[in-house]
Amino acid sequence: GEDVEQSLFLSVREGDSSVINCTYTDSSSTYLYWYKQEPGAGLQLLTYIFSNMDMKQDQRLTVLLNKKDKHLSLRIADTQTGDSAIYFCAERRGSIGGKLIFGQGTELSVKP
Amino acid sequence: NAGVTQTPKFQVLKTGQSMTLQCAQDMNHNSMYWYRQDPGMGLRLIYYSASEGTTDKGEVPNGYNVSRLNKREFSLRLESAAPSQTSVYFCASSDSGQSSGNTIYFGEGSWLTVV
Repeated sequence: GEDVEQSLFLSVREGDSSVINCTYTDSSSTYLYWYKQEPGAGLQLLTYIFSNMDMKQDQRLTVLLNKKDKHLSLRIADTQTGDSAIYFCAERRGSIGGKLIFGQGTELSVKP
Repeated sequence: NAGVTQTPKFQVLKTGQSMTLQCAQDMNHNSMYWYRQDPGMGLRLIYYSASEGTTDKGEVPNGYNVSRLNKREFSLRLESAAPSQTSVYFCASSDSGQSSGNTIYFGEGSWLTVV
């Protein structure tokens, strides 16, 4: 299909790990991104991964990329209540300056 | 650091009215974008401009026009607003540097209601 797919909701307990999954569409996409959006706010870039990598770690965040299956995941270790937000994955299609296509977003709810 | 600035932040329009959303970036980026965000649908690309002097349609261009006025500014115009255009609109820009992942930076959003 043409869409970037994400599950809509995820609920975890404080201190647990969260894993948010995403399936993208274009095998030639150069970069894949994770953005965070808190209520009433804009989008904040969390991290990105280049398509020739299969893993990237940045403090509590781990991104895994499976190019064969076009699957991207974001793991948040030791999830905190402040991590409650909507998380969007996005793929950049085409060359530099090309379109950035977003998934529907996954709403992460962290319970104390 | 201003980054991406868009105005207005809130606007209520009557059906059939026209308006222009303004966007400016001070990061010397080549590419600029307009997205709309609706509940359960994520962000959908309306138009984008890969470089000064060029514009291209995104996923949902109908009912909108854009102008890349110069490298800094990219405006979105609704010629005859419809209730279906009630949404949150985000302007964004990106650099061309591979070392930074061609990162896209977003404005704070414009909440538009068409009644």
